[in-house]
Amino acid sequence: GAGVSQSPSNKVTEKGKDVELRCDPISGHTALYWYRQRLGQGLEFLIYFQGNSAPDKSGLPSDRFSAERTGESVSTLTIQRTQQEDSAVYLCASGPGGWGYGYTFGSGTRLTVV
Amino acid sequence: KNQVEQSPQSLIILEGKNCTLQCNYTVSPFSNLRWYKQDTGRGPVSLTIMTFSENTKSNGRYTATLDADTKQSSLHITASQLSDSASYICVASMIKAAGNKLTFGGGTRVLVKP
Repeated sequence: GAGVSQSPSNKVTEKGKDVELRCDPISGHTALYWYRQRLGQGLEFLIYFQGNSAPDKSGLPSDRFSAERTGESVSTLTIQRTQQEDSAVYLCASGPGGWGYGYTFGSGTRLTVV
Repeated sequence: KNQVEQSPQSLIILEGKNCTLQCNYTVSPFSNLRWYKQDTGRGPVSLTIMTFSENTKSNGRYTATLDADTKQSSLHITASQLSDSASYICVASMIKAAGNKLTFGGGTRVLVKP
């Protein structure tokens, strides 16, 4: 597709369950970010993938959070044993990784933990 | 520490009026700066992107300026419309050698009233 696609768009889950969020980046984009945005707050960096380099996981809030990406393909963000504080919009952005180019965001996955 | 600070945090303006949003960054080594518009419930959409050699760039009624010496940027909205109500996010990027990382400001919430 022409843009960054995220699925599902909305997810309601029970506390303690695991969830998996998916991001389909723009074809050819080597860079991919995951961000979290709590209601009324700014974007919180989670993890950054750049090609085949080791990902920057410095933003992951706990070991319940993990993300994978193989090469320049789809990425999945997994949250284990979800808690109510995990409720947020999870945004994915991809970019060509080159100097001067912009990044494109997906519409996000709204996660609600009840 | 790489930081991006935006001001004001929120802004209410009357339809048809102009406004200016501010962004100060300390990202180094600096590559480029982007302004994004984020409508409620949507992912951020790019408005402008500027490298250190560019002083101003326009996108319709949006005009961004960049002073690489003082590390300041501004986004000017001319003749505001109700549809301009959104959060405006300033994003600074480091050069590719540093991983092309993005640093986000906290955003400015703009509300345009009729």
